[in-house]
Amino acid sequence: GAGVSQSPRYKVAKRGQDVALRCDPISGHVSLFWYQQALGQGPEFLTYFQNEAQLDKSGLPSDRFFAERPEGSVSTLKIQRTQQEDSAVYLCASSPLFGSDTQYFGPGTRLTVL
Amino acid sequence: AQSVTQLGSHVSVSEGALVLLRCNYSSSVPPYLFWYVQYPNQGLQLLLKYTTGATLVKGINGFEAEFKKSETSFHLTKPSAHMSDAAEYFCAVIHGSSNTGKLIFGQGTTLQVKP
Repeated sequence: GAGVSQSPRYKVAKRGQDVALRCDPISGHVSLFWYQQALGQGPEFLTYFQNEAQLDKSGLPSDRFFAERPEGSVSTLKIQRTQQEDSAVYLCASSPLFGSDTQYFGPGTRLTVL
Repeated sequence: AQSVTQLGSHVSVSEGALVLLRCNYSSSVPPYLFWYVQYPNQGLQLLLKYTTGATLVKGINGFEAEFKKSETSFHLTKPSAHMSDAAEYFCAVIHGSSNTGKLIFGQGTTLQVKP
């Protein structure tokens, strides 16, 4: 079956622009996670949704970062007034339930801020 | 705070040799432990995981890992390396009392396999 998909795969933005990154999780998966992976680093947690509820946003680095999952399926990560330090790969993962359940990752969106 | 330490950012082995990638974690309660592999320009793929039960866990592509509570370790091994094993490997934990299941990753280890 289809896995987690993300779009766009690559995004170049000028500093100060707003960007929106989309994640299509595996159908029926309850949990959805966003991670940020800087070059040469491991992924770092940004935020977590259980269905449409955003239960944990402790990893969002600033109030310029905003995520939503209005119908409990597709999710969008929005970054306002992008800065160079926002350059990274943004990974989305979904899992059937929650807790220790296996997370299935998408291919990521590589964001480059010039 | 929890953390995950992967010893060695780069590991190089010859084809057919033993692969050993080290992972240590810090956690006040028994965690759930994972190894993921990442190929260039691809997402993370689960190799194996430990939640409860048998401490020796077998995964895909001939990899296995052993949870050693006394050593707070979860090292990844494979008896014989193949060229296709060259990739980035990440150890990760979920805190045992987490109600979100967020993964905490190590810095990663790049595995190079020489012919």
